Amino acid sequence: GAVVSQHPSWVICKSGTSVKIECRSLDFQATTMFWYRQFPKQSLMLMATSNEGSKATYEQGVEKDKFLINHASLTLSTLTVTSAHPEDSSFYICSASFAGDGELFFGEGSRLTVL
Amino acid sequence: GEDVEQSLFLSVREGDSSVINCTYTDSSSTYLYWYKQEPGAGLQLLTYIFSNMDMKQDQRLTVLLNKKDKHLSLRIADTQTGDSAIYFCAERTGANNLFFGTGTRLTVIP
Repeated sequence: GAVVSQHPSWVICKSGTSVKIECRSLDFQATTMFWYRQFPKQSLMLMATSNEGSKATYEQGVEKDKFLINHASLTLSTLTVTSAHPEDSSFYICSASFAGDGELFFGEGSRLTVL
Repeated sequence: GEDVEQSLFLSVREGDSSVINCTYTDSSSTYLYWYKQEPGAGLQLLTYIFSNMDMKQDQRLTVLLNKKDKHLSLRIADTQTGDSAIYFCAERTGANNLFFGTGTRLTVIP
C-alpha cells in the first residue's frame, strides 16, 4: 500500500522557537495533504487542507500565521509551528491522497513538546 | 457540521468478541472507516465500507452499517491482547476529508 512518512517523529523545543514537520508520500504523488492535531485522549482535529502548488485552506479557529503549511511538491508538505508555546504541544498527523476521491494514507505522526 | 460519536471505553476478555459502536449525523456520507491507533503511533486503516452497503467482513472484522439510523459498528471476533488500542470511526462526505469520532479505547483482559 501507499506509504506516508513524517519527520521528525519526536521533537522537543524551547518556547518561542519554530519547528518544522515534514510529511512525505514515498511511493505516490499526493495532490492533497491534510494536517491533523490530536490532543491527549482526544480525537483528531483537522487543521488544514493543502493542495500542491496552492495555498492551504485552514479550518475555523486554526491560526494560519501560527501554523504555516507549504505543499511545494507532489510528495512533500511541511507544517511549521512558529513561535511555539507549551500549549502547542501535541501529536500532529498528516494524511495524503493521490487524486480525486482517493483513499487517505496517514503518516506515523509527530509528537511536539514545547518546554 | 458533522458529528461523529463513540463511547470512550470498552473492556473485553481475551477470546471474546468486541463490538465498538459509532453514530454519525451527516446522511450524505460516502464512505465510513475504522482506524486503529496504538500508543504513540499514527493511524492504521482497518477497514471501510461504502455507504450503500450494510455489511462487510474481513477476517476477524465485521462492519455493520445501518444507514437509516446512522449507526456503524465494528465487531472483532476472538479478541486478542494485541487488539488493545484506540479505535476511531470516521465518515467521509464526498471531499477528501474525514471527520473522526472521539475514539473508543479497547482494553483486552488476558
